[in-house]
Amino acid sequence: DAKTTQPTSMDCAEGRAANLPCNHSTISGNEYVYWYRQIHSQGPQYIIHGLKNNETNEMASLIITEDRKSSTLILPHATLRDTAVYYCIVSSSNAGGTSYGKLTFGQGTILTVHP
Amino acid sequence: DTAVSQTPKYLVTQMGNDKSIKCEQNLGHDTMYWYKQDSKKFLKIMFSYNNKELIINETVPNRFSPKSPDKAHLNLHINSLELGDSAVYFCASSLQYEQYFGPGTRLTVT
Repeated sequence: DAKTTQPTSMDCAEGRAANLPCNHSTISGNEYVYWYRQIHSQGPQYIIHGLKNNETNEMASLIITEDRKSSTLILPHATLRDTAVYYCIVSSSNAGGTSYGKLTFGQGTILTVHP
Repeated sequence: DTAVSQTPKYLVTQMGNDKSIKCEQNLGHDTMYWYKQDSKKFLKIMFSYNNKELIINETVPNRFSPKSPDKAHLNLHINSLELGDSAVYFCASSLQYEQYFGPGTRLTVT
């Protein structure tokens, strides 16, 4: 699976948009971009994923560049409860393969939302 | 309703003991996983089962043996516990793309 590079930490004011960048320059054609987050002392939580098109759900938006070498997770209106470690992961989800569903977590970005 | 549950939540035991952690999911998912998060907060996959069949084994010591009695359960048995096994262990399940994680089991080996 391709490796990802994320900033170690970021700050955001409550109510403002949080834009978390991720570089994945070695991503291959069948690899998806996933975002998970881990709030202190809890299990990781799925946020969103995409292949090449931009995606939006009730939690966030995912913007993937045309060359797919980087992406940005956008939390449109950050709240204090969004303070967490955010992980950007690239992974192949081809069923039946030996790496099916394998997520390789890096260090992630510690997002702190301030009042 | 809890989607992915683990028992126990905390486990304190001595070196050399054998212990088990249980995981159950009520989501009807086909694939289940075990992850380990060490003291430095790195989260690493250990095992993955799809329809009760082992598909991922990430060079985990033989002392760790997963058991999947059915699609809804994936238990982790650990023999001869060592100090380095102290960590938080997370179970997860998935149908296709997103994985749902349990609350974790904090294992402390003394």
